Amino acid sequence: DIQLTQSPSFLSASVGDTVTITCRASQGISNYLAWYQQKPRKAPKLLIYATSTLQSGVPSRFSGSGSGTECTLTISSLQPEDSATYYCQQPIEGLTFGGGTKVEIK
Amino acid sequence: QLQLQESGPGLVKPSETLSLTCNVSGVSISSSSYYWGWVRQPPGKGLEWIGSMYYSGSRHYNPSLKSRVTLSEDTSKKQFSLKLNSVTAADTAVYFCTRGVTRLLDAFDIWGQGTMVTVSS
Repeated sequence: DIQLTQSPSFLSASVGDTVTITCRASQGISNYLAWYQQKPRKAPKLLIYATSTLQSGVPSRFSGSGSGTECTLTISSLQPEDSATYYCQQPIEGLTFGGGTKVEIK
Repeated sequence: QLQLQESGPGLVKPSETLSLTCNVSGVSISSSSYYWGWVRQPPGKGLEWIGSMYYSGSRHYNPSLKSRVTLSEDTSKKQFSLKLNSVTAADTAVYFCTRGVTRLLDAFDIWGQGTMVTVSS
């Protein structure tokens, strides 16, 4: 199976900052990369699919990019409600999630 | 309104079988546009895929759980189910059912609220 490594595992930033989370795959995943946001005691929420396509209803401050084995999730103008854990996921060979990145608002 | 809802026992004894059902409302589970999966999350840890089932009838399982997992569906009842046998404390987790969408390059767009299952005697 393809392994996904997220970095950092934790980040703390202020409202208005831009933050970037990286997801590295152990082998190429074509365009099959999704990002999810999970708040405490809630189910994950799909933010981005196909590496860079924003899911309907997701604020435009979220964006995704990347290719090959490295993808990134960027949150521009960080808001208090963005405090959550973020996961990347690939379904192309087996199905795996990254280890998660917890985003804290200072 | 499209909704997924997990149901099943919240407490299972070690070595027994964990059985959960996901009730689907608002969409057919027989559509070739979707597939249906289970994901779990141990307390304080990340997400772990358990398995998925497809319109074609195929099943794909996490290799680490494959020997203990069975997925099935009842299209007439709009339900799909998970059975995990020989459970241990390591299987204690919140279990989510979810829908994968081929149009979204197989991302999971709808999730149930999750159900906590504790393995303990």
